[in-house]
Amino acid sequence: DAGITQSPRHKVTETGTPVTLRCHQTENHRYMYWYRQDPGHGLRLIHYSYGVKDTDKGEVSDGYSVSRSKTEDFLLTLESATSSQTSVYFCAISESGYTEAFFGQGTRLTVV
Amino acid sequence: SQQGEEDPQALSIQEGENATMNCSYKTSINNLQWYRQNSGRGLVHLILIRSNEREKHSGRLRVTLDTSKKSSSLLITASRAADTASYFCATDALSNAGKSTFGDGTTLTVKP
Repeated sequence: DAGITQSPRHKVTETGTPVTLRCHQTENHRYMYWYRQDPGHGLRLIHYSYGVKDTDKGEVSDGYSVSRSKTEDFLLTLESATSSQTSVYFCAISESGYTEAFFGQGTRLTVV
Repeated sequence: SQQGEEDPQALSIQEGENATMNCSYKTSINNLQWYRQNSGRGLVHLILIRSNEREKHSGRLRVTLDTSKKSSSLLITASRAADTASYFCATDALSNAGKSTFGDGTTLTVKP
């Protein structure tokens, strides 16, 4: 398995609180991604990074921010969690952006 | 909006039969990838096919790409119960380089 770790794996939080999810890689891949997956659906891109301090928005970025201060870490922050952000969040890494992506095991987030 | 759409949404077959899943997309692409997701797990990369390729094989998997029809198919031959999973196509559009867009997936059930 590619060296990619998400933490925490499960989290329950209250509406209105900030939440940060962490993705850590040991592969030195340039690209890192955050996706969300809702029941019965595929993955939707939230934000991605193509290098340290280089990030861009995906299709569902509202309410989320990201930071990448080191190659190995990509943080996703829900600024003020809402129930609509209850989902499973996946981090992925890719060497060049045009090659296969390796996925983490996911973080199940519940906002109550 | 989703770039790739899989068809059918669900497929149920007997062990030993072949399974075919299709993916259609809307805009020109750099490459198309297929992933598998077992229940509750992260996605696993199966195969990548570039826009200038028409067919690729990997073990029991065969992927075709028809850029004129903007469609791809994934064939799993001699299916096994362990192939039971959801299968997603992901497209890397020319206009959104490095950002793969996923469809909603095909859920395959292989009965022993």
